[in-house]
Amino acid sequence: DVKVTQSSRYLVKRTGEKVFLECVQDMDHENMFWYRQDPGLGLRLIYFSYDVKMKEKGDIPEGYSVSREKKERFSLILESASTNQTSMYLCASAGAGGGYTFGSGTRLTVV
Amino acid sequence: GDSVTQMEGPVTLSEEAFLTINCTYTATGYPSLFWYVQYPGEGLQLLLKATKADDKGSNKGFEATYRKETTSFHLEKGSVQVSDSAVYFCALSDRVTDKLIFGTGTRLQVFP
Repeated sequence: DVKVTQSSRYLVKRTGEKVFLECVQDMDHENMFWYRQDPGLGLRLIYFSYDVKMKEKGDIPEGYSVSREKKERFSLILESASTNQTSMYLCASAGAGGGYTFGSGTRLTVV
Repeated sequence: GDSVTQMEGPVTLSEEAFLTINCTYTATGYPSLFWYVQYPGEGLQLLLKATKADDKGSNKGFEATYRKETTSFHLEKGSVQVSDSAVYFCALSDRVTDKLIFGTGTRLQVFP
């Protein structure tokens, strides 16, 4: 069964901490994406990557960075966590022709 | 830019009722259209898709038809079950970039 695995389901971090959210896919997909999900706002694209070491800004990249050193792994980094980054974070991967597979999500609380 | 508009929820129905969740889109070109479902505590799962005008996507009793003339992709089910309670997201995919653009989601609550 194909999978996108996010390393944590729940995280609590302090303001100012550097936070790493990890995502691994086993489908050999080229494309990977990070979204955040907030009530009333739906899913908003933070960053995406079409290949190893390649990254593109999405609609709301401020306060975030990403790393893709290997094809199967796409990491989201909060350089200095703030309370307005409390959210559900969803990772997805996609092969040619679209058709995203999502991870189960990481619910991050910044206190 | 491209966008997706969904009806606001929650939609509250009794079991076996007919379901419609409206979705309209704005896009340049000819996007692919999708419905995703999110059950409580889980990520999103692809429910159905359509890649060109007049295509009908269907899965688990749900259907949606790609209507280019009305730029719509409404989700329907003839008889809902309690287990259909979830949040439903309409989305479009840019054919060049493969990026998905989502609507805000519609929560469906089905009561026995």
